[in-house]
Amino acid sequence: EEQLAESGGALVQPGGSLRLSCAASGFTFSNYAMNWVRQAPGKGLEWVSAIGGRGTSTYYADSVKGRFTISRDNSMNMVYLQMNTLRAEDTAVYYCAKEVQWPRGRFDPWGQGTLVTVSS
Amino acid sequence: QSALTQPPSASGSPGQSVTISCTGTSSDVGGYNYVSWYQQHPGKAPKVMIYEVSKRPSGVPDRFSGSKSGNTASLTVSGLQAEDEADYYCSSYAGSNNFVFGSGTKVTVL
Repeated sequence: EEQLAESGGALVQPGGSLRLSCAASGFTFSNYAMNWVRQAPGKGLEWVSAIGGRGTSTYYADSVKGRFTISRDNSMNMVYLQMNTLRAEDTAVYYCAKEVQWPRGRFDPWGQGTLVTVSS
Repeated sequence: QSALTQPPSASGSPGQSVTISCTGTSSDVGGYNYVSWYQQHPGKAPKVMIYEVSKRPSGVPDRFSGSKSGNTASLTVSGLQAEDEADYYCSSYAGSNNFVFGSGTKVTVL
C-alpha cells in the first residue's frame, strides 16, 4: 500500500523558519514527482511546490517562490520543504502528495498533513 | 494564479444527482485536459475521484463522472449516498509547471 506521512509542523514566529518532512513507502519513490499542497484553516487547497523524481527539477507557486525550497532524498524515500521568512498567511495544514504522471495533476495518495502555525 | 471558481455549496437527496462546476480560463482548464477532482471529508486528506477530466481511479464508484466544455469542467455524482457528503475541489494544470485548485464546493446530502 502506498503511504505518505508528513512531520515537522509546529508553532513558529513570523520571520522564522521550519522544515517539513514527508516519508514515503509502498512505491518506487524515485520514479515519481512529489508535491506539497497546503490548506489554511477553513479554506481551500493551494498547490505549493513540486519536485521531479530525480530531484533536479523544482517548481513553486508565486506565493512561496524565493522563501520555500523543496528537496528530496531518494535513498531515504523522503521529501522535504524548507520554509523561510514565514508569514501569518503561511499558516496551514501542509500535505505531501505523489504525482502519478507529471504534469497531469493526479495527486494520489496524500499524507495526513502536518499543521504549521505562524504567530507571535 | 487565481483559484478556479466553484459554487460554495450543492445539495441533493439520496438517490438524486448533483453536478458541480469548475470555471477557469484558457490558460488552465480550457488549455489542458488535466483536470482532477478531489473529495475531502472533515479532518481528512483529499482523495482523487476523477483525473484527466473524466478518468476514474480504480476503487472510485462509477457514480462519479467528469466532463469539460471550454473553460468549465464539471463533476457529477449520481445516485447520491450519505457518504458522498464532503467538500469537493477541482484542480487543473495551469502551464509553466504550476497547478491551481478550485475554491471548493460543500456537497450536502439532504
